[in-house]
Amino acid sequence: SAVISQKPSRDICQRGTSLTIQCQVDSQVTMMFWYRQQPGQSLTLIATANQGSEATYESGFVIDKFPISRPNLTFSTLTVSNMSPEDSSIYLCSVEASPGSPLHFGNGTRLTVT
Amino acid sequence: ILNVEQSPQSLHVQEGDSTNFTCSFPSSNFYALHWYRWETAKSPEALFVMTLNGDEKKKGRISATLNTKEGYSYLYIKGSQPEDSATYLCALLNPPRGNQFYFGTGTSLTVIP
Repeated sequence: SAVISQKPSRDICQRGTSLTIQCQVDSQVTMMFWYRQQPGQSLTLIATANQGSEATYESGFVIDKFPISRPNLTFSTLTVSNMSPEDSSIYLCSVEASPGSPLHFGNGTRLTVT
Repeated sequence: ILNVEQSPQSLHVQEGDSTNFTCSFPSSNFYALHWYRWETAKSPEALFVMTLNGDEKKKGRISATLNTKEGYSYLYIKGSQPEDSATYLCALLNPPRGNQFYFGTGTSLTVIP
């Protein structure tokens, strides 16, 4: 199974600033995703990170707010831009080895925006 | 958006007790349901992939069943141990949306020694 390193593990940020979260996988994977879990809510897919092209965003998420990079098949970044307290969440990257197979997750980034 | 519901939201049990919780989902166009365990400060870890109506899967003291016709899955833990304390998530795979998984809000289990 894929080993995923995600950093930072946690951060406390000021309103209006941006934070970039990194996700490194120990093997090449086609499908890489970014999820968010706001307090009391379910894990929600933000976007699918596509290698070599723009990410595919889910309804309610836009590139200006959550720019994503995917320069190769083992690495991706998610930036949370112009943060507000509502962005306080756990952010998780995940990969799927093959269609329909269980997701493998990073340890998550616990973000608090003050 | 598909509505996946889990109950109860949280649960406290004594060590040695058996427990179970529920994941409910729309029964139409079912493809697959996954169960994950998410321990504090760790990453969610897959427990089961359920695909067929009537599926029963088991891993040690943990087992799961699936009823796609009525739209629910049960997760059972026999003889709960403190190390079972975690949040248990179910996720419905919705193929028309590619690899979109719809997660429930989870059941937070605390096993009291």
